Amino acid sequence: EAQVTQNPRYLITVTGKKLTVTCSQNMNHEYMSWYRQDPGLGLRQIYYSMNVEVTDKGDVPEGYKVSRKEKRNFPLILESPSPNQTSLYFCASSLSPVGYGYTFGSGTRLTVV
Amino acid sequence: QQPVQSPQAVILREGEDAVINCSSSKALYSVHWYRQKHGEAPVFLMILLKGGEQMRHEKISASFNEKKQQSSLYLTASQLSYSGTYFCGTENTTSGTYKYIFGTGTRLKVLA
Repeated sequence: EAQVTQNPRYLITVTGKKLTVTCSQNMNHEYMSWYRQDPGLGLRQIYYSMNVEVTDKGDVPEGYKVSRKEKRNFPLILESPSPNQTSLYFCASSLSPVGYGYTFGSGTRLTVV
Repeated sequence: QQPVQSPQAVILREGEDAVINCSSSKALYSVHWYRQKHGEAPVFLMILLKGGEQMRHEKISASFNEKKQQSSLYLTASQLSYSGTYFCGTENTTSGTYKYIFGTGTRLKVLA
């Protein structure tokens, strides 16, 4: 089944404790992206990747890191999480950034206390 | 630069029609539409390309007016399953970047 797999679904952590949210797709998509969704603010792009080793900032990249060592994987890293990073996070992928729709992962609800 | 959607929210009775609009301040190459049910991930509905024809997904159709930088989503004879939040999305490909941004969202509730 074609899908984007995100883990974990739920995560509660403490301020400053490094964490990684994993994202993997099995559709051979070139373009992958991370979003955070907050009430009243909609979906905001954190980082995106055009292909292996090619990543760039979205609109809200502060406090996040990403890497794209393999085409299928695009982990999101929070080196020192803070409470304002409490949010619902989605990974998504697409065949291309232009002209194709996204497939989303099921989301990760992160709480930083 | 986020596309603006209107209305912000709408409540319908089953069988009624609704229109959701998406307006951008930037030129659009394409517009995508997604539906997100509560507690779930957004699901891609359709894409409208510049110069392309009107698209359809079940009883949901959409149009794209490139000159006005607008797209509209038409929900005909709404069903309970249409409830959710609808987002438009578009590429932001200026200055060599390939960002993808979503509209402000429209919450749709269909009542029996």
